[in-house]
Amino acid sequence: KAGVTQTPRYLIKTRGQQVTLSCSPISGHRSVSWYQQTPGQGLQFLFEYFSETQRNKGNFPGRFSGRQFSNSRSEMNVSTLELGDSALYLCASSLERDRYNEQFFGPGTRLTVL
Amino acid sequence: QKEVEQNSGPLSVPEGAIASLNCTYSDRGSQSFFWYRQYSGKSPELIMFIYSNGDKEDGRFTAQLNKASQYVSLLIRDSQPSDSATYLCAALNYNQGGKLIFGQGTELSVKP
Repeated sequence: KAGVTQTPRYLIKTRGQQVTLSCSPISGHRSVSWYQQTPGQGLQFLFEYFSETQRNKGNFPGRFSGRQFSNSRSEMNVSTLELGDSALYLCASSLERDRYNEQFFGPGTRLTVL
Repeated sequence: QKEVEQNSGPLSVPEGAIASLNCTYSDRGSQSFFWYRQYSGKSPELIMFIYSNGDKEDGRFTAQLNKASQYVSLLIRDSQPSDSATYLCAALNYNQGGKLIFGQGTELSVKP
């Protein structure tokens, strides 16, 4: 079974630009979560989508948004990029939302904001 | 106080020894706990999860959970140099959906 895929793998943007990242979950998984990883803050939860609905949102500004499509693929968008948005963005998929919610991560998108 | 806390390390153990990684959490509503391994430059890889008090074994790995003490641990037996990585502990309160709360990670170094 194919794993979680994320595109692009690397991105370089300048301040003020916007960016869209894509995530394709494991086949059959309906939940997709997004995380930001930085050396200083570690892994931080951005948001979770389940059956095209945002179920939970982390403490990030409104510049960070996302959506999920009917095929469970998800995108996240960051508008008006800031230097501090440079990070590894990870998406994780899981079969369903319950306490056995094993989340499997994709390879990530490394975003550099200049 | 951080919601999930881990010693950042580095934790250094000789090859063949037992590595013990610890994690505490503050949200008593957390029901499940996950251990991920992350190699430098790679994404986290799920090692195992636990949701019941006690021990759960999977090969060389044993996860331990004590909900009364709000304590989770991961033991790695017969440590190998290939186990050298950062180990991330995460807690899930499924009443809040799929939001994993991660600790900062413990860097493990296994010396040949």
